Amino acid sequence: GDSVTQMEGPVTLSEEAFLTINCTYTATGYPSLFWYVQYPGEGLQLLLKATKADDKGSNKGFEATYRKETTSFHLEKGSVQVSDSAVYFCALKGNNDMRFGAGTRLTVKP
Amino acid sequence: EAEVAQSPRYKITEKSQAVAFWCDPISGHATLYWYRQILGQGPELLVQFQDESVVDDSQLPKDRFSAERLKGVDSTLKIQPAELGDSAMYLCASSLGRETGGYTFGSGTRLTVV
Repeated sequence: GDSVTQMEGPVTLSEEAFLTINCTYTATGYPSLFWYVQYPGEGLQLLLKATKADDKGSNKGFEATYRKETTSFHLEKGSVQVSDSAVYFCALKGNNDMRFGAGTRLTVKP
Repeated sequence: EAEVAQSPRYKITEKSQAVAFWCDPISGHATLYWYRQILGQGPELLVQFQDESVVDDSQLPKDRFSAERLKGVDSTLKIQPAELGDSAMYLCASSLGRETGGYTFGSGTRLTVV
């Protein structure tokens, strides 16, 4: 079945560092891909999405490109801030329900 | 900005007791989802509604869990009896139902079974 694998955390960075969180997927057909962010004690918020190959989703300085050839959707940000500290989830939606990765906890230190 | 409302935010219950969670989706969203998120893991679907009908409840432990969306708007998820392993965050989400769209999640209900 459809599944998502993302890099294990936790990830700890200094403010203004470059961020990459890896995400790969397995799916039949052509799923839509998403990144969600979850702050402590809160639900998930949609960060960005891409619906077809080579699409780039972007929001709040974060971006991810839908790479069909490598079945990947890595999340990147050029300069992280303390306020970016949260758990990030990669997800896909194919023909069935949305499937989530296990999440990657990011901590940004000043 | 429209939100998915959930209540309560936190619930502590003793094992073998009954507990219920409520969700009010974004107005006009025909599809409603209940997810369970165990600490340190990603959310997993429990049940999906399209209007008032259940579309997918294959992962819902039906011996103790039930869900309803009687008028196709708000929804209730019930656990009876609660077990220690049910301690988790219960998330409700809604969507327009279009396949490429994302879901809008509520803030969740944190359940602790003691």
